[in-house]
Amino acid sequence: GQNIDQPTEMTATEGAIVQINCTYQTSGFNGLFWYQQHAGEAPTFLSYNVLDGLEEKGRFSSFLSRSKGYSYLLLKELQMKDSASYLCAVMDSNYQLIWGAGTKLIIKP
Amino acid sequence: NAGVTQTPKFQVLKTGQSMTLQCAQDMNHEYMSWYRQDPGMGLRLIHYSVGAGITDQGEVPNGYNVSRSTTEDFPLRLLSAAPSQTSVYFCASSYSGQEINTGELFFGEGSRLTVL
Repeated sequence: GQNIDQPTEMTATEGAIVQINCTYQTSGFNGLFWYQQHAGEAPTFLSYNVLDGLEEKGRFSSFLSRSKGYSYLLLKELQMKDSASYLCAVMDSNYQLIWGAGTKLIIKP
Repeated sequence: NAGVTQTPKFQVLKTGQSMTLQCAQDMNHEYMSWYRQDPGMGLRLIHYSVGAGITDQGEVPNGYNVSRSTTEDFPLRLLSAAPSQTSVYFCASSYSGQEINTGELFFGEGSRLTVL
């Protein structure tokens, strides 16, 4: 079966750095996505990786290793507004997105 | 731009009732989809469409119908509501279901449905 694993909850301090991991087992691979979802709101797109390596976008970076079935989202200089759930999703061979359950990130002052 | 618009935002139904969740997008996206989101679970695809007149089933289609008569609209119908359909429903669209460059899905604000 297809599976996306990510931690349920993480806590970090304002101004610090946090890394949210995602491991996956899917039927084929056509890209890995990270979305941010604030409580009670819709998910919004953060990043897309299809090749191995690091993609940097401001305070957020996303890394992919296809051979290991592994990705992480790195958030730097954490701000209170970064408190949200972070969703990892993989596009399989049928171009369908398989979603993880999300990681709830709590930022403390 | 309005983006993806979903209505209603909240709805309470009794078991056995039917209803339609509306979804409209003004971005000329070919691909539209419906997801449900339940606590502790990832988003699950209900139905999707790659263009007007074309629909297909996702992971959890039972109890739901869709149609796509225009590019803009993709309504989701609950035929006979059951408590198991209590969930948050999201409509999402993108430029294409295949060969998309970034994979960016644009989501509506969500519809919170409770079935008693």
